[in-house]
Amino acid sequence: GENVEQHPSTLSVQEGDSAVIKCTYSDSASNYFPWYKQELGKRPQLIIDIRSNVGEKKDQRIAVTLNKTAKHFSLHITETQPEDSAVYFCAARNTGRRALTFGSGTRLQVQP
Amino acid sequence: GAGVSQSPSNKVTEKGKDVELRCDPISGHTALYWYRQSLGQGLEFLIYFQGNSAPDKSGLPSDRFSAERTGGSVSTLTIQRTQQEDSAVYLCASSGGSGGANVLTFGAGSRLTVL
Repeated sequence: GENVEQHPSTLSVQEGDSAVIKCTYSDSASNYFPWYKQELGKRPQLIIDIRSNVGEKKDQRIAVTLNKTAKHFSLHITETQPEDSAVYFCAARNTGRRALTFGSGTRLQVQP
Repeated sequence: GAGVSQSPSNKVTEKGKDVELRCDPISGHTALYWYRQSLGQGLEFLIYFQGNSAPDKSGLPSDRFSAERTGGSVSTLTIQRTQQEDSAVYLCASSGGSGGANVLTFGAGSRLTVL
């Protein structure tokens, strides 16, 4: 089955700096890669996703890049703000399986 | 409903007891998922239901765990003879409808503590 590895497990940045979170996946058939944000005590929510026919996708301060050859994808947050502090989960899914396989999460702390 | 509802929000039980966790998905969502989140850990897939298809049970950790979805709507996750390692937050999610098949909407979770 699919295995998704995520790093770093924790990340601390100063407000205004950029943050990068990286994930690798094992199943070459995976074609959908979402990112979820979970604020403290709240439920995970989708923030951005990318499909395998696209190399990069951007939405305001967040962007995701995908390298299918290397089987890795990354989340980039620019101009970080304190409200970006949360746990971020990457995930992957292949065409034959509907359930997402999640990474172990990255706790991002933005210092004001 | 407006969102995914889970009950109970908190459950404390003694080792060896059975527990049932309930999930009421968003109306019209055909897919329903159960995940488990242990303290400070990631989201572990348990089981997935899609319409009338056979569920994907590949994530259930042992035969003490089972789930059903009645009438394509409400789902119940049952854990028999609970163990301390079962302590976690059990998250339900649904997808489909206007939100799209890919976007999972999570419930607030059921926090299970096994003493």
